[in-house]
Amino acid sequence: DQQVKQNSPSLSVQEGRISILNCDYTNSMFDYFLWYKKYPAEGPTFLISISSIKDKNEDGRFTVFLNKSAKHLSLHIVPSQPGDSAVYFCAASARTAGNKLTFGGGTRVLVKP
Amino acid sequence: NAGVTQTPKFQVLKTGQSMTLQCAQDMNHNSMYWYRQDPGMGLRLIYYSASEGTTDKGEVPNGYNVSRLNKREFSLRLESAAPSQTSVYFCASRIEGLGGYTFGSGTRLTVV
Repeated sequence: DQQVKQNSPSLSVQEGRISILNCDYTNSMFDYFLWYKKYPAEGPTFLISISSIKDKNEDGRFTVFLNKSAKHLSLHIVPSQPGDSAVYFCAASARTAGNKLTFGGGTRVLVKP
Repeated sequence: NAGVTQTPKFQVLKTGQSMTLQCAQDMNHNSMYWYRQDPGMGLRLIYYSASEGTTDKGEVPNGYNVSRLNKREFSLRLESAAPSQTSVYFCASRIEGLGGYTFGSGTRLTVV
């Protein structure tokens, strides 16, 4: 029973266009959400996060949107670059559960030049 | 600044063999974690340690044991390896409170 789901296992996008990655969660106690990026043979690296008191957070080309009523968050990458090709993991945590991260299954993004 | 260091990077075991995966962090973080990554499953928490001297089970603890040796080191032990434990193992650490984890580069384990 996955509490965090990424329903698209892969995404292909043209360089310069927008990449939109989606994530759904079921646990209403989650109050902090993160996106991680992972290259092959490396550990995941933190990309961007959002607290449940916000609905949007921006950092350069990366924006995360949170829709609490729908239990849905998304990551927008604009414009997409070939170096963005990686696996992206959505993660969530709850203060009441010691802020341990629960991860989604990942979305593999391929940015074509 | 090394961050989180995992050893070994690769390991092949025979069914029934035992081994310990080592993890050390030099960021003075309180919390440390062990995850396994399997295709389509994301990262699943095996064990974690909120502080030196404490350990707790995560989502998939069966077949594993851990030791928080000191604040820097958190090891994961497989007492009798099974093919189902073939996976990529990641260690992570985090300072108190909110914030992302810092991950090591992983150990790719194959059990034959």
